[in-house]
Formats: sequence, C-alpha cells, structure tokens
Amino acid sequence: QQQVKQSPQSLIVQKGGISIINCAYENTAFDYFPWYQQFPGKGPALLIAIRPDVSEKKEGRFTISFNKSAKQFSLHIMDSQPGDSATYFCAASMKSGYSTLTFGKGTMLLVSP
Amino acid sequence: DSGVTQTPKHLITATGQRVTLRCSPRSGDLSVYWYQQSLDQGLQFLIQYYNGEERAKGNILERFSAQQFPDLHSELNLSSLELGDSALYFCASSVSGENEKLFFGSGTQLSVL
Repeated sequence: QQQVKQSPQSLIVQKGGISIINCAYENTAFDYFPWYQQFPGKGPALLIAIRPDVSEKKEGRFTISFNKSAKQFSLHIMDSQPGDSATYFCAASMKSGYSTLTFGKGTMLLVSP
Repeated sequence: DSGVTQTPKHLITATGQRVTLRCSPRSGDLSVYWYQQSLDQGLQFLIQYYNGEERAKGNILERFSAQQFPDLHSELNLSSLELGDSALYFCASSVSGENEKLFFGSGTQLSVL
C-alpha cells in the first residue's frame, strides 16, 4: 500500500524556470511533511519540511505548498538551476509516537542549462 | 558530509550468502534507521533502533536482521541472499528518534549475482 504518491516520475525544466513536484497522502494522521534531495552517489538530505498548521513554507528558492483538505503538498523550486538537478523525495510521518517516515517514489529533476 | 558513515560502499556477493552492512551514526545521535532503495520500490523503511533498542519495524524480511551496539553503531545482516535483494541500503541517524532531520549515509550498494 503506497501511502504517499509522488508525481511526476521525472521532470525536465529549463534554467530559470519553476520546477513543481506534487505529492498526495492517504493517512490523515500524518502531520509532518519533509522533502529530501538526493544527488547521485549520495544519501538523501533534508531540504525543507512543513507541518499542517501552515499552508506554505519558503526557504530561499524552495517553497512547500500544503493543502490539508485535498491531502496534497507540493515542492516549488523557483529560478531552477542546473545544480538543482537531483532526485527529490517527499515524505510523511506522524510527529507523535514512533511513526516512521513514508517516502514517495521520487522525482528525477533535470535542469537544462 | 552528513556525518553518517556506512561501510562497505560496494558489496558483490552470490545468492545464498550472508553479508553484514555497518553504520556509524552522527556523533550524539541515538537513533539509527535502515532503508532499502530500489528503482521500483523507492525508499523502503526496514527498521529503527533507538539507544540500542528496536523502536520500529517496517518491511524487513525475516532473512534480514539488525542490531545497535552500546557504542551506537549498527549492523544490518542479510542472509540467504536472493537476486532481488540487490539494492542500495541506506543508514540514517537522528538525535531523538522522532523522524525529524534524518541524516543519511552514502549507502552500501549490494549486488547479488
């Protein structure tokens, strides 16, 4: 059972453009939604995270938009750069208790020069 | 550099064999997580330890086992290996075990031939 569905599987964006990756979740008990960035040969690294008490969180060129009623959240990368080319994973968990992170299947982003 | 060390980086073995993957968490982190990454399944949570005790279990096969030692390093043992066990195995660590800010190692690439 896939509890976090991520789309698209791959994405090509021109330098300077906006990259948008979407995720949908099923478990309404989830209350922590991080995004991880993974470069080839490396492990995933936490990029940005949001809790459902806010609808948007921005850190530099990266923004998470959260829609609680639709059970969806998305990552927007503004002014995309070739250095942003990586695989991005959304994830979800419950903050309380011993919940573990459930990851989406990832989106491979290529930013063309 | 995440501060999480995984060894070996690459492992090639035959079906039916047993291997041990090792993980040293970041200094001060008490919790260790093991994930399996494959192209079709994405990042799958296997097991979590906190200060030497098993805290959560995911999609870990009975042929797989893990432990966390008093010095907090962890080992993942994979036995009776099958071709389908070929994957990238990641270890992650965190301070509290509450899933926030997981720091991933660079992974062990396991190839079962």
